[in-house]
Amino acid sequence: DTGVSQDPRHKITKRGQNVTFRCDPISEHNRLYWYRQTLGQGPEFLTYFQNEAQLEKSRLLSDRFSAERPKGSFSTLEIQRTEQGDSAMYLCASSLVDEKLFFGSGTQLSVL
Amino acid sequence: GDSVTQMEGPVTLSEEAFLTINCTYTATGYPSLFWYVQYPGEGLQLLLKATKADDKGSNKGFEATYRKETTSFHLEKGSVQVSDSAVYFCAQVTGTASKLTFGTGTRLQVTL
Repeated sequence: DTGVSQDPRHKITKRGQNVTFRCDPISEHNRLYWYRQTLGQGPEFLTYFQNEAQLEKSRLLSDRFSAERPKGSFSTLEIQRTEQGDSAMYLCASSLVDEKLFFGSGTQLSVL
Repeated sequence: GDSVTQMEGPVTLSEEAFLTINCTYTATGYPSLFWYVQYPGEGLQLLLKATKADDKGSNKGFEATYRKETTSFHLEKGSVQVSDSAVYFCAQVTGTASKLTFGTGTRLQVTL
């Protein structure tokens, strides 16, 4: 069990560029979550998958955000036309159904 | 909507001091309650949880009791160590999606 891994750890981009993050969950976990954490705040739920199906999306997830989990394993989160307000730590977590969440170390996004 | 309120930090204590971090919640249903800890440079880790009223969660010397009458889940430890320095998040889940709602976090700094 190597835990939840996220790539990259840090991403610096210019406003207007597209970025994509990857999350590899714990292998047998069928649920995968994305959260966003800004400085001084707790993580906020963005979306979650059960296997390959995206079951819920937060209102925080604007049309510029899209997440996929094509084969029910790894997931990607893409942000198009980034804005400075998108700067945050993006956290991924995985779990078995109704079991505790295991979090990755996150991807820190800075939009200049 | 569902929310979690926890005391602001930072909390600075000397080693072996008693710790209390307050947490209260609002929820439409009967949530499960959690404390997560985030050590520097690491991902969120589940510290303890309680799933129903009067349950006590405990781990690594930390305790929290689910108080329905006061809608609280305060974190306590009798004798803190320097290694306990971290950010502590109170969180709740209602429903079956394991979708966490977090508080803003409380930074604990323990000094020798």
